[in-house]
Amino acid sequence: DAGITQSPRHKVTETGTPVTLRCHQTENHRYMYWYRQDPGHGLRLIHYSYGVKDTDKGEVSDGYSVSRSKTEDFLLTLESATSSQTSVYFCAIKLGTDTQYFGPGTRLTVL
Amino acid sequence: KQEVTQIPAALSVPEGENLVLNCSFTDSAIYNLQWFRQDPGKGLTSLLLIQSSQREQTSGRLNASLDKSSGRSTLYIAASQPGDSATYLCAVQHASGGSYIPTFGRGTSLIVHP
Repeated sequence: DAGITQSPRHKVTETGTPVTLRCHQTENHRYMYWYRQDPGHGLRLIHYSYGVKDTDKGEVSDGYSVSRSKTEDFLLTLESATSSQTSVYFCAIKLGTDTQYFGPGTRLTVL
Repeated sequence: KQEVTQIPAALSVPEGENLVLNCSFTDSAIYNLQWFRQDPGKGLTSLLLIQSSQREQTSGRLNASLDKSSGRSTLYIAASQPGDSATYLCAVQHASGGSYIPTFGRGTSLIVHP
């Protein structure tokens, strides 16, 4: 088991408020990812990281920022949440060279 | 840009049927293809990984095939059971570049009823 947790698991917030989601891994994997999953769109990459302080954008990065100050933590921040950011957010890590392991997800509702 | 399509989007079958889920991709220059399972309210779980040099992989009642030249993969589930009910996603990793950034299909939602 790769040991990946996400917090919080559920969150309800209001439009315009900042929100930070945390992904934590226990095995020093280099690559970490943030996805959002929405009906009709499938799984879309927001940002990913290939090392401490090394991050890059995915296909739906607008309105999101990330930080990785430690190998084990990858934070996703919504600076000013909007209703269009209501979604389920998944963190993933890369195992070996070939596959990803996913966290349990965070369900975010922006009212 | 790689596009991954999964057909059908939804499938409902009686228990015991053998079934085939399809995945197609537009760029055949892939590194590997992976099938995932997602239960409601859960994350994705890897089922089978096929490298670009391989034709198929098997795990229990699951068999995944890859035809890279035609841009297709199929996931075959033998003797389906209600416990197989879930969404199945395929993901394709492009051959170029050092970063592992797979492209996902939207999934096939499977219901196996008793």
